[in-house]
Amino acid sequence: GENVEQHPSTLSVQEGDSAVIKCTYSDSASNYFPWYKQELGKGPQLIIDIRSNVGEKKDQRIAVTLNKTAKHFSLHITETQPEDSAVYFCAANDGSGNTGKLIFGQGTTLQVKP
Amino acid sequence: GAVVSQHPSWVICKSGTSVKIECRSLDFQATTMFWYRQFPKQSLMLMATSNEGSKATYEQGVEKDKFLINHASLTLSTLTVTSAHPEDSSFYICSASAANYGYTFGSGTRLTVV
Repeated sequence: GENVEQHPSTLSVQEGDSAVIKCTYSDSASNYFPWYKQELGKGPQLIIDIRSNVGEKKDQRIAVTLNKTAKHFSLHITETQPEDSAVYFCAANDGSGNTGKLIFGQGTTLQVKP
Repeated sequence: GAVVSQHPSWVICKSGTSVKIECRSLDFQATTMFWYRQFPKQSLMLMATSNEGSKATYEQGVEKDKFLINHASLTLSTLTVTSAHPEDSSFYICSASAANYGYTFGSGTRLTVV
């Protein structure tokens, strides 16, 4: 089955700096790669996603890149703000279509220092 | 956007009793619902996948007789933790999925068994 590895586990940056979180996946049939932000005591919130037919996607300060050959995808947050502090999870579907299960990475705790 | 409502948000129960958690898709019909468990400072671990009108598919190591899942309609799935014990204390999160809607997560349920 699918296995998703996420790094780093913790990341501390100064406000205004960029933050990058990286994930690798194992199932070459995976075609959907979402990123979630989770605040304490809440469910995950989708912040951006990318499908396998696209190499990069951007939404304001957030971007995701995908390298299908290497089975890597990364989250880039520019101009970080204290409210970006949270736990971020990458995920990949198991390749069985739009309703296939999502497998999550281990999570990255991002701290943005004011 | 798609909204998933999960109730209760928190529950405390005595050891040996059963607890039911509800997950509803409010503005779309979810062909598939997923149940996750999350321990403190850990990732989301998939417990089971359920499709409307059929039996749930449980992940390896998850006891199907302990975690009863019912997906009676396209908008409602329930997870019942039977004969709960302190080690079942965790954060339970549901996710609803449908074509063109991606995956939408509930706000989670904090279960404490005393």
